[in-house]
Amino acid sequence: EVQLVESGGGLVKPGGSLRLSCAASGFTLSSYTMNWVRQAPGKGLEWVSSINSGSSYIYYSDSVKGRFTISRDNAKNSLFLQMNSLRAEDTAVYYCARGLGATGFWYFDLWGRGTLVTVSS
Amino acid sequence: EIVMTQSPATLSVSPGERATLSCRASQSVSSNLAWYQQKPGQAPRLLIYGASTRATGIPARFSGSGSGTEFTLTISSLQSEDFAVYYCQQYNNWPPLFTFGPGTKVDIK
Repeated sequence: EVQLVESGGGLVKPGGSLRLSCAASGFTLSSYTMNWVRQAPGKGLEWVSSINSGSSYIYYSDSVKGRFTISRDNAKNSLFLQMNSLRAEDTAVYYCARGLGATGFWYFDLWGRGTLVTVSS
Repeated sequence: EIVMTQSPATLSVSPGERATLSCRASQSVSSNLAWYQQKPGQAPRLLIYGASTRATGIPARFSGSGSGTEFTLTISSLQSEDFAVYYCQQYNNWPPLFTFGPGTKVDIK
């Protein structure tokens, strides 16, 4: 079955760090751009970061630039998001999503079920 | 940043009726627009990309149209499983900065 499964979410204090993982199965991760999209409780969707197949193109939203780092391990079919200096406004469900389209012009055709990150003291 | 708006915020429709959802971009996104469906507690699902191309496995009752700044998602005859929130997303920025609309909730009239 083609799927993405996120893990690593949890409760963390403001200023803390967390590392999210996304495991891909049923397809070869190395062939695709991968992305993180988040959704605050009761709110809409917000794109967070993208990384192309060879890790040569990496992009972040302004809201996380300098604090979050996206990476991937194609050999392990895995995607990661290292989140540092976390703030209350980073509280959200974080989705891993597969990207399709021309380089830099991606839409998201496969999504994981998400992992909840709560930033609170 | 390209700002996406959607209208209406909520659309009340009876099963079997037609639903028309609108999405507007603050500047032209060409045809680089996607639509997603999200049900409570679930991940979003891709419905439409390229403004009008149905994703794999999406029923023909879903159709998308538009280009530039004005887009429409039409559900020709609403089924019970179609009651959900629908988001549009533009992917026309360079460097990439993808933005979503705030969503339209389609509920039962």
